[in-house]
Amino acid sequence: AQTVTQSQPEMSVQEAETVTLSCTYDTSESDYYLFWYKQPPSRQMILVIRQEAYKQQNATENRFSVNFQKAAKSFSLKISDSQLGDAAMYFCAHKAAGNKLTFGGGTRVLVKP
Amino acid sequence: GAVVSQHPSRVICKSGTSVKIECRSLDFQATTMFWYRQFPKQSLMLMATSNEGSKATYEQGVEKDKFLINHASLTLSTLTVTSAHPEDSSFYICSARDPQQGAGNSPLHFGNGTRLTVT
Repeated sequence: AQTVTQSQPEMSVQEAETVTLSCTYDTSESDYYLFWYKQPPSRQMILVIRQEAYKQQNATENRFSVNFQKAAKSFSLKISDSQLGDAAMYFCAHKAAGNKLTFGGGTRVLVKP
Repeated sequence: GAVVSQHPSRVICKSGTSVKIECRSLDFQATTMFWYRQFPKQSLMLMATSNEGSKATYEQGVEKDKFLINHASLTLSTLTVTSAHPEDSSFYICSARDPQQGAGNSPLHFGNGTRLTVT
């Protein structure tokens, strides 16, 4: 079974600064995918970024980037130039065969103006 | 882009009654849909995998007789909470993957969720 761990319940960042959210996972699969989802107060799940395990290059989406360390089973998310709209819950998720997503416990990001 | 519609967004029911939640894929056909449950300030927990034309697959600890899932068409899955009790009050979210977007890293599309309150 897969497990996903987010060790930071809450992170605070000053507007325009950078914050990094940690995520570690455990899996016996060799082929899998990793995602970061954002859940604002509306509770809509929004995909932030995705990473294929077979790719060594770290994924980047505008101000969002990941540091994928496969051997360490680590998948951190960096938010650069933080904006007020980035305030939300962020969930790290693992997907192996069958499309089942396993989520971490979430990290609440607070952005200070 | 692919959209998943979930209805209702909020429902309040009395203890002992049943509630049905619908999840529709609006512009794609989904042979598989997923139902999650999210308690306040907690993560999403997978309840079951809904399979079109066959029985749902339930996660360990989820009562299949209490949470009835029907996936009668390629665009609709329903979750019925039977004989609801206050402890069933939660946020329920469905999701589906558009098979046209390819396998693997194609993301799941989520509905907007249903907040169930059992009084």
